[in-house]
Amino acid sequence: DTGVSQDPRHKITKRGQNVTFRCDPISEHNRLYWYRQTLGQGPEFLTYFQNEAQLEKSRLLSDRFSAERPKGSFSTLEIQRTEQGDSAMYLCASSPGFHGYTFGSGTRLTVV
Amino acid sequence: GESVGLHLPTLSVQEGDNSIINCAYSNSASDYFIWYKQESGKGPQFIIDIRSNMDKRQGQRVTVLLNKTVKHLSLQIAATQPGDSAVYFCAENSQAGYALNFGKGTSLLVTP
Repeated sequence: DTGVSQDPRHKITKRGQNVTFRCDPISEHNRLYWYRQTLGQGPEFLTYFQNEAQLEKSRLLSDRFSAERPKGSFSTLEIQRTEQGDSAMYLCASSPGFHGYTFGSGTRLTVV
Repeated sequence: GESVGLHLPTLSVQEGDNSIINCAYSNSASDYFIWYKQESGKGPQFIIDIRSNMDKRQGQRVTVLLNKTVKHLSLQIAATQPGDSAVYFCAENSQAGYALNFGKGTSLLVTP
């Protein structure tokens, strides 16, 4: 296992389109997180899964954002009806427990 | 709300010198602190962590100091190298939480 994988690395989309990003965590990690990072800022927490259960989603930015982890392994983050303000880096992380976070390289979204 | 912040947005040091990056936090319940390094286009990379029952922890060329009295955290990098050039973030959470709270970051530039 080479770490947390995210796909795609870059996505350019037109405003109003839907986008979906995928995250493959480290296989033995049961916790998975999504963060958003805008230029010059630190990552901002969005949502958290423990196995397949989404235990925190109140910090998703709007109802256009949703995430799934159907089998407790990979996860997807979907943004519907994208807006220019959604342009950012979307980071996934996983951990085996309270400690040991490992981040992926992120998906950079550009909404034009 | 509670926040994590950094004292200096940019730091320029000469190769071979020691670097010190500072961070202040405001959440008294924080009990776990992490320093991350982020290079352009990549996700945050774990450097070193420290729990609140410690005040110092050393790694390879890096030392983290924690002063709970004044809620201050620092990262010391010995013999700074050009490969250390990156943005450095401090992050914190508590046993009651799962989301890492990041500061804005300090850009470290190592000059030859």
